[in-house]
Amino acid sequence: TQLLEQSPQFLSIQEGENLTVYCNSSSVFSSLQWYRQEPGEGPVLLVTVVTGGEVKKLKRLTFQFGDARKDSSLHITAAQPGDTGLYLCAGVKNYGQNFVFGPGTRLSVLP
Amino acid sequence: DTGVSQDPRHKITKRGQNVTFRCDPISEHNRLYWYRQTLGQGPEFLTYFQNEAQLEKSRLLSDRFSAERPKGSFSTLEIQRTEQGDSAMYLCASSIDSGTAKLFFGSGTQLSVL
Repeated sequence: TQLLEQSPQFLSIQEGENLTVYCNSSSVFSSLQWYRQEPGEGPVLLVTVVTGGEVKKLKRLTFQFGDARKDSSLHITAAQPGDTGLYLCAGVKNYGQNFVFGPGTRLSVLP
Repeated sequence: DTGVSQDPRHKITKRGQNVTFRCDPISEHNRLYWYRQTLGQGPEFLTYFQNEAQLEKSRLLSDRFSAERPKGSFSTLEIQRTEQGDSAMYLCASSIDSGTAKLFFGSGTQLSVL
């Protein structure tokens, strides 16, 4: 049973475009994390959002946690080829004892 | 600065053989996780240790899978009588037990069962 859904599954855009990817769940999490994974490597943590309605910015990336702490979005401004990768959201339960990952959004940014 | 280390990076085996993978977490991290990832999917939780204690094991995990963390440092994951469906990337992650936990992943072991 997939507790987290991510959309879109695949996204291919041109360099310089903006994009938003989504992570949705019917469960409430103590926090939610976003990771980026490159081929042949493990995921790397980008951000953790904890409070409902929270917005965090990391350079060109903006992360938002839904008010009910069940969903999140990642917005990338002026995408670059280096942003290419698999973006995974992970719901954190029991304050860090259980991480549940979504299936990911595979982003390709073409030069 | 040493991150999470996994060995081997790649393993090819024949169906029915046993395989063992090793994970060395970041030294001060007391939590260690094993995940499995197949192509096009996110990591799927297998099991989790706090120090040497195995606190949770996925109900999806077959009896052919066993994991240990004997001294609360490195961990091993063994798969007995491998099947073709076991082919996947096996990821290890560690974290420290404080505040909002953050997972630090190794590069994984890619298993191919022929």
